Amino acid sequence: DQQVKQNSPSLSVQEGRISILNCDYTNSMFDYFLWYKKYPAEGPTFLISISSIKDKNEDGRFTVFLNKSAKHLSLHIVPSQPGDSAVYFCAASGRAGGTSYGKLTFGQGTILTVHP
Amino acid sequence: DAGVTQSPTHLIKTRGQQVTLRCSPKSGHDTVSWYQQALGQGPQFIFQYYEEEERQRGNFPDRFSGHQFPNYSSELNVNALLLGDSALYLCASSFGLSGNTIYFGEGSWLTVV
Repeated sequence: DQQVKQNSPSLSVQEGRISILNCDYTNSMFDYFLWYKKYPAEGPTFLISISSIKDKNEDGRFTVFLNKSAKHLSLHIVPSQPGDSAVYFCAASGRAGGTSYGKLTFGQGTILTVHP
Repeated sequence: DAGVTQSPTHLIKTRGQQVTLRCSPKSGHDTVSWYQQALGQGPQFIFQYYEEEERQRGNFPDRFSGHQFPNYSSELNVNALLLGDSALYLCASSFGLSGNTIYFGEGSWLTVV
């Protein structure tokens, strides 16, 4: 039961253009969403997050959009740079049943390649 | 500001052996979670520790156990290792049970032969 899905295994973008990474979720109890970037042989690096009370959050070149009705979120990177090439993971958490945050459910990841 | 640190970074074990992985949380954090990441997959939640107690557990067998110490550091123990336990084991930390921004360490690569 894949509760968080990243349906695009890979994405290739030209330097300077926009990268859009997508993520869908099925569990309506999720109310906090995070994006992580991961290089090979390293741990995930936190990029940006969004609470379900918002529909947009920006941090520099990174913007996350949340569409609760569609259970869909996306990460926009503008402009894309070669150093952005990495695996990007979408993750979700929620206080379902009184439990704490801290249990993240991850998607399978999308490999982003930014060409110079 | 010290981030999440894990040790060892790489290790090789034989089937049936036991392994202990260690984690120190980010400075100021008191909650530690462990994840297993197999090749080509997203990380899978193993369990979470807060105030030295296991608070949440994912779908992992009892061979996986943990501990949190008074200084908030944590250990992950895996007994009776199987080939399928070969993976990257990630430690993550946050502040309190309400802390929803979670930081990860570099991970410990475990190979079971």
